[in-house]
Amino acid sequence: EPEVTQTPSHQVTQMGQEVILRCVPISNHLYFYWYRQILGQKVEFLVSFYNNEISEKSEIFDDQFSVERPDGSNFTLKIRSTKLEDSAMYFCASSESRALTPAGYTFGSGTRLTVV
Amino acid sequence: AQSVSQHNHHVILSEAASLELGCNYSYGGTVNLFWYVQYPGQHLQLLLKYFSGDPLVKGIKGFEAEFIKSKFSFNLRKPSVQWSDTAEYFCAFLDSSYKLIFGSGTRLLVRP
Repeated sequence: EPEVTQTPSHQVTQMGQEVILRCVPISNHLYFYWYRQILGQKVEFLVSFYNNEISEKSEIFDDQFSVERPDGSNFTLKIRSTKLEDSAMYFCASSESRALTPAGYTFGSGTRLTVV
Repeated sequence: AQSVSQHNHHVILSEAASLELGCNYSYGGTVNLFWYVQYPGQHLQLLLKYFSGDPLVKGIKGFEAEFIKSKFSFNLRKPSVQWSDTAEYFCAFLDSSYKLIFGSGTRLLVRP
């Protein structure tokens, strides 16, 4: 069964440093998403991406965040200057279309980011 | 405001006990509802979904959920849990822009 792959599984970084979280979506999927879950809180939508541009972003997704699909296979989330409150589990997801496909989204296993 | 409430944050059961996890949503549009499960160290997996039709939905691993429109609820049930059901369970709906709105999750621990 096709999978969404995220690397690394864990990342520890110092406050103020830049981090890049990587995702390899399923190859024939066209829509890509980042969600995050701060420990003990809800899974929250960050951004959706289609046709090489952002479709929608949440209030969380401020100027410190950016997404990119640099090479047609990877989908990255960059945080330019990390803050303590960016510590969370970050999930990548992809879907074949925006319509309600039977499988819905396919999620990756997440990257746990810890900012110290 | 659109939201999902999961009232039970932690549930502990013994094997063979019955399970019901509550989920209530607040959304004015057509609801498309999901339950996802996350086993320790793994990704979010779709357990079941409701789009339309029969409000009693059957999913994988013996789980089912019932959509009750009048109660704005989509509770997850399983008649007899197993140790392997230990996981975190998330209720969610798809909003009008096709993003998932999640509840805060319920951690289920099944004691052998």
